[in-house]
Formats: sequence, structure tokens, C-alpha cells
Amino acid sequence: AQSVTQLGSHVSVSEGALVLLRCNYSSSVPPYLFWYVQYPNQGLQLLLKYTSAATLVKGINGFEAEFKKSETSFHLTKPSAHMSDAAEYFCAVSRNTGTASKLTFGTGTRLQVTL
Amino acid sequence: GAGVSQTPSNKVTEKGKYVELRCDPISGHTALYWYRQSLGQGPEFLIYFQGTGAADDSGLPNDRFFAVRPEGSVSTLKIQRTERGDSAVYLCASSASANEQFFGPGTRLTVL
Repeated sequence: AQSVTQLGSHVSVSEGALVLLRCNYSSSVPPYLFWYVQYPNQGLQLLLKYTSAATLVKGINGFEAEFKKSETSFHLTKPSAHMSDAAEYFCAVSRNTGTASKLTFGTGTRLQVTL
Repeated sequence: GAGVSQTPSNKVTEKGKYVELRCDPISGHTALYWYRQSLGQGPEFLIYFQGTGAADDSGLPNDRFFAVRPEGSVSTLKIQRTERGDSAVYLCASSASANEQFFGPGTRLTVL
């Protein structure tokens, strides 16, 4: 079985400040890990993914995440927040089997960016 | 190019009615997924198709829920005898590879 825990349902940062959204996973098999962003009334958009290559993954819009097996973590970071980053962020895990597999999502973290 | 599309975007129905939700995947994507997202929650897996067949339907909550993909492209999620607890956003995703799913905008279902 696989699961994801996102610590903090709401995170508020000032514009220009560091963004850190936490994700811990549990998986009995090697995982694929993902971060998705959801803007109001829109579908999910993939920010970045870890698929067992480099442990530091760079995504769109300046976001990156580091896979740490020893900590079972895949935290999302961005050095400098922008107002347009305000959205809901979901961490997700799937099985690393080389074939299509369902995603198991966390409950999400709502990021607020203030002036 | 065209992304995943879902129709209708909103559906309001009465308790006990039957509804169908449609998903048009990205052309050429062999895998198609349905998820349900309740208010304040992350998406929850319902069912996944590889081609025409359901490869994993372990997320369907009960036998009122059924999905088909008869020609390996468009899929329909069918809900019988709807209940108020079925109210949610139903998301469809498609993929061509093992490691990236592309999501549609969702259908917001409201059961009165």
C-alpha cells in the first residue's frame, strides 16, 4: 500500500520569501513521486516528478523537490514566492513498476502569498 | 494540442437519479483514469483503464458506480441511484507513459 502525508493544510508566505511545502510518503515498493498544482476551478497541473533518476528534481515555475529515501520525504521548495504561486498543491505517489499505475494523493496544502 | 476534456463541466441532479460523466482523453493515450475529489480533499482513485479494459477498479466505492471505455478512447463514468454523498468533482486523466498523467478540468457533480 502507498500513502502520502502533507504536513500543513495551509501555508502563508510573504512575496519573495522561501516556499517550503512538506510531503512524506509510505510505499512498500520503489515509488514515483509527483507534485501537482491546482488553481481555482482548474484541473491539476504537473509541477515536477521523481522517477528514480536524479534525486533533486527541477520543475516548472522555479519549483524543485528533493527525494530523500532515508527520510521518506519529497518536500517542494521555491527560493522566492510570487503572488501567482497562490494555489493548492498536492503531493502524490505511484508504484515504480514501469507500467501505468494509479496515483495516491495527499490532502493538499493551500499556499497563500501575501505582499 | 488538445488536452483532456470532460463534459459536462457542472451537473446538478436529484437524489436517486442516474448520471453519466464523459471524458475525452488526449489522442493516443492508452491509459485513462477516473478520480473523485471531495471538498477540501485530495483526489481519490476510482478506476483505471488500459485500452478498453478496466485494469484496476479497486477504488469504485460500491456497485452504483460503473465506467466503460468501449473503443479505448472516450470513457463514461456512470452513477446509479445518486446519493448526496456522491457530490464531488470527478476528475479524468490520461497517460501515454508510466510516469505522467494529464488531468482534465473535472465535472462538478451536485446531488440535491
